[in-house]
Amino acid sequence: AQSVAQPEDQVNVAEGNPLTVKCTYSVSGNPYLFWYVQYPNRGLQFLLKYITGDNLVKGSYGFEAEFNKSQTSFHLKKPSALVSDSALYFCAVRDIGGTYKYIFGTGTRLKVLA
Amino acid sequence: KAGVTQTPRYLIKTRGQQVTLSCSPISGHRSVSWYQQTPGQGLQFLFEYFSETQRNKGNFPGRFSGRQFSNSRSEMNVSTLELGDSALYLCASSPRSSRDTEAFFGQGTRLTVV
Repeated sequence: AQSVAQPEDQVNVAEGNPLTVKCTYSVSGNPYLFWYVQYPNRGLQFLLKYITGDNLVKGSYGFEAEFNKSQTSFHLKKPSALVSDSALYFCAVRDIGGTYKYIFGTGTRLKVLA
Repeated sequence: KAGVTQTPRYLIKTRGQQVTLSCSPISGHRSVSWYQQTPGQGLQFLFEYFSETQRNKGNFPGRFSGRQFSNSRSEMNVSTLELGDSALYLCASSPRSSRDTEAFFGQGTRLTVV
């Protein structure tokens, strides 16, 4: 079965420092991986996706993610964190077998400290 | 381009009642999916509709149902509400039903069952 894991419930980082939010996956075949962000009382906003090609994917708001096949990881990164980046981040994989549903990780709360 | 619109934003219902939630996808999008978000279970897939046909259903009881209209708008219905149905219900739309396409989420409907 397809799955993603986000090992950290919360990540704290100082404003201006680089941030990393971790995600590992377990899929059959090629993974289709996504990152979303959720602000309080809002829906999910798409940040970026990996389908194929370059292992470093650039997305919205200065975020990027590195796909590592050998480590089955897809970590979200940003060179310099902003207080406004504080939110809940979800990693997800698209299911196979014709459903195409998202399978989400449990989420990581990012807190950027001023 | 208008985003995904979900109505109502907030809803309070009593146990045993039924409720209907509405979702208007982004113009031109034909795939609509529904997810339930709770603190305990995270984000869980409910169902997906494409061109008025239910393509897949998640592991939820038959009290949860949905439909899609010819203009791609979708509704989901929950009958005989239980306290455990309290959640944020998210609708997502995509231009097509495929693994490589990102979905765009609405702001959600917060359902509280008392």
